[in-house]
Amino acid sequence: NAGVTQTPKFQVLKTGQSMTLQCAQDMNHNSMYWYRQDPGMGLRLIYYSASEGTTDKGEVPNGYNVSRLNKREFSLRLESAAPSQTSVYFCASRESGGNGYTFGSGTRLTVV
Amino acid sequence: AQRVTQPEKLLSVFKGAPVELKCNYSYSGSPELFWYVQYSRQRLQLLLRHISRESIKGFTADLNKGETSFHLKKPFAQEEDSAMYYCALISSNTDKLIFGTGTRLQVFP
Repeated sequence: NAGVTQTPKFQVLKTGQSMTLQCAQDMNHNSMYWYRQDPGMGLRLIYYSASEGTTDKGEVPNGYNVSRLNKREFSLRLESAAPSQTSVYFCASRESGGNGYTFGSGTRLTVV
Repeated sequence: AQRVTQPEKLLSVFKGAPVELKCNYSYSGSPELFWYVQYSRQRLQLLLRHISRESIKGFTADLNKGETSFHLKKPFAQEEDSAMYYCALISSNTDKLIFGTGTRLQVFP
């Protein structure tokens, strides 16, 4: 039982490049989330998906897109990376009405 | 507006000293509150949720609705408690977890 798996763990991009961060959970959770973690700002919600086929904006959605491919997978795409998107990205999932979230191990992204 | 405030960025104590990490919240309704811990370069782990009222690793937290607080306490800090601690709130109508900015706890030997 792997929980929430994120790939890649590390990535360096040049400004303007695009990439997709992958997230998969094997707990049959309905809800999935993408957060970014920055020093002094805690974790801020980028996008979330309450169920397969639905996505909604969080606190800081600009510059990102998401796809809830199926119940297991929720990907985050940066179409044109900017240095301000340098951050650690965490994916999480939660069973509706259940306990707290289960987090992935994070993706450390640097945009130069 | 729903908000979680952790006023301290850094809290430093010596081993064996009591610890209190402060958390205040604003929420119109009955909140569901959590404490998460993140050890160095690891994923966030659930430490406590107020509904369960349990003690994990010697930590406890009591929800005070009058003061809108959910402070995390431990009577005797250990070096292995050094980590980043986040207070968080779930919005019942949106199922979104809202985090505070976190407090780094350093426990010196």
